[in-house]
Amino acid sequence: AQKVTQAQTEISVVEKEDVTLDCVYETRDTTYYLFWYKQPPSGELVFLIRRNSFDEQNEISGRYSWNFQKSTSSFNFTITASQVVDSAVYFCALRGGNAGNMLTFGGGTRLMVKP
Amino acid sequence: DAGVIQSPRHEVTEMGQEVTLRCKPISGHNSLFWYRQTMMRGLELLIYFNNNVPIDDSGMPEDRFSAKMPNASFSTLKIQPSEPRDSAVYFCASSRDRGLAYGYTFGSGTRLTVV
Repeated sequence: AQKVTQAQTEISVVEKEDVTLDCVYETRDTTYYLFWYKQPPSGELVFLIRRNSFDEQNEISGRYSWNFQKSTSSFNFTITASQVVDSAVYFCALRGGNAGNMLTFGGGTRLMVKP
Repeated sequence: DAGVIQSPRHEVTEMGQEVTLRCKPISGHNSLFWYRQTMMRGLELLIYFNNNVPIDDSGMPEDRFSAKMPNASFSTLKIQPSEPRDSAVYFCASSRDRGLAYGYTFGSGTRLTVV
């Protein structure tokens, strides 16, 4: 069985602060993919990043960075110099073959960035 | 590419009425997923189609829910009769299913309110 845990249900920061969203996963698969999605107040789910289980290289995209550590089964997401527009719910998700290729979502972390 | 198209965006109906939600996946995507999002339960997978065939409907709450995919470009999720506890946002998503590398592209969702 697959499981994704986002222990932080809600985080509040002040604009320009850095913030890290935690994601811990469980899977028996040796090959799997991890994802982050953003759900802004408008409600749509926006794909942010995909990472495969064989690539532990960290990734940076502008103010966003992701730290994948297989040893701790974690795929954390950091926003540097947060902005009010970053306010959203962020979901971590896992897709592995033993779950029929289905995407399993964590419970989400609501990030509130205050001006 | 128009993305995944869902209709209607909002639906308000009375308890006991039949509700039909519609989804047009991205052309060329051969997997289609219906999710339900509520505050209490987060994102739940209801049913998953691959090449128009239902693969896993274990998430469908009860017999009042049914889903069809008559062709590669259209799917419906029907609730009959509807109940207030069915109130939620229903998302449709599609994906290429050549391995695990592809994330899902989500529609904008249908916000269903049953009064």
